[in-house]
Amino acid sequence: AQKITQTQPGMFVQEKEAVTLDCTYDTSDPSYGLFWYKQPSSGEMIFLIYQGSYDQQNATEGRYSLNFQKARKSANLVISASQLGDSAMYFCAMREGNTGNQFYFGTGTSLTVIP
Amino acid sequence: DGGITQSPKYLFRKEGQNVTLSCEQNLNHDAMYWYRQDPGQGLRLIYYSQIVNDFQKGDIAEGYSVSREKKESFPLTVTSAQKNPTAFYLCASSLTGASSGANVLTFGAGSRLTVL
Repeated sequence: AQKITQTQPGMFVQEKEAVTLDCTYDTSDPSYGLFWYKQPSSGEMIFLIYQGSYDQQNATEGRYSLNFQKARKSANLVISASQLGDSAMYFCAMREGNTGNQFYFGTGTSLTVIP
Repeated sequence: DGGITQSPKYLFRKEGQNVTLSCEQNLNHDAMYWYRQDPGQGLRLIYYSQIVNDFQKGDIAEGYSVSREKKESFPLTVTSAQKNPTAFYLCASSLTGASSGANVLTFGAGSRLTVL
């Protein structure tokens, strides 16, 4: 079974609007971390936001927030007030366990911001 | 500034040749990783290392080799045994340990290998 599933290959959003990128995960480990990365056309992976499995509140980092629904095993990324520079690939990732060093990545969502 | 340097950024190779991709970090991270990225796919783990002189195979290690002689360096060799080596290769590093809950993977800019 896939550890990380991103079901939206491509998304479009109007500039200044909010957009939600979906991510579901699969693990039986009670301790895990969830991450979102942005990959512009240049190729480098840029860390956006982190959510720990025991965190009580949803993580936020500026215009990025993570909608963490533990029972549903979902960790959707919400980008508010989209900007043209947000156009990129977005990857959801998971690390299992407190000391686990294997990160599992989804197949990514391509986001295009329309002026 | 601390970071990860990958070189070369672009590399062309003839079939049957080995090629080595360089990865250097000055973040004092213990763990280092190599990922392969193909179009339409996520990142797949090739090898990772948590400590000097030790490394483990990832999901797609066949046809690749690594070494970890220094904490800062984790070069990847793509051997002639790798059947389809054309891809984008990303090196990453992270902290390790019991308090690694929020340890983030930091990536280099990547190396694009094309086999002619």
